[in-house]
Amino acid sequence: QKEVEQNSGPLSVPEGAIASLNCTYSDRGSQSFFWYRQYSGKSPELIMSIYSNGDKEDGRFTAQLNKASQYVSLLIRDSQPSDSATYLCAVRNQAGTALIFGKGTTLSVSS
Amino acid sequence: ETGVTQSPTHLIKTRGQQVTLRCSSQSGHNTVSWYQQALGQGPQFIFQYYREEENGRGNFPPRFSGLQFPNYSSELNVNALELDDSALYLCASSLAQGGYTFGSGTRLTVV
Repeated sequence: QKEVEQNSGPLSVPEGAIASLNCTYSDRGSQSFFWYRQYSGKSPELIMSIYSNGDKEDGRFTAQLNKASQYVSLLIRDSQPSDSATYLCAVRNQAGTALIFGKGTTLSVSS
Repeated sequence: ETGVTQSPTHLIKTRGQQVTLRCSSQSGHNTVSWYQQALGQGPQFIFQYYREEENGRGNFPPRFSGLQFPNYSSELNVNALELDDSALYLCASSLAQGGYTFGSGTRLTVV
């Protein structure tokens, strides 16, 4: 079973700071990478997808991908208390038939 | 455009019983996947259906089975329920290699 690893946290940052979330994966053939946000008791919500090496920015969110190092990260700038949630890293397997998730990192933003 | 809808939202079953969970995929999405999420864990891949055929399966026993219908809606069936089957069951739909959109989930409790 291919794996996706994340630090479970909790990661605590003050309001306005940058939150940095990291993820490593084992399947070298993976081509598609996703970050989901999950509030307590809710279902995962897609916030970023990235397919090529480098950075991809969307508002306050930046996803970074390094396929050589098998590493994906998510930066949240100007963190808000409403960003407090669990962030799930997901990698599509090489066959394209499944998303493999990490256990998630819990982020807490204090006001 | 309608999102992914799941029913029921909550369910309580007795050990040994059978359960059927239902999912309507997002309009235009021809791929449906099912995930099991235990408390404090990331979603675990159960199986994926594409054009009514199972085209991927995770590490779940045969008592977990599914169907996809011509309108791309889907069912997850679990036989001989065990206490450890208590979890949030998530349905996700997708198109080609895009991100997966999740439904709100079904919370199953086995007593």
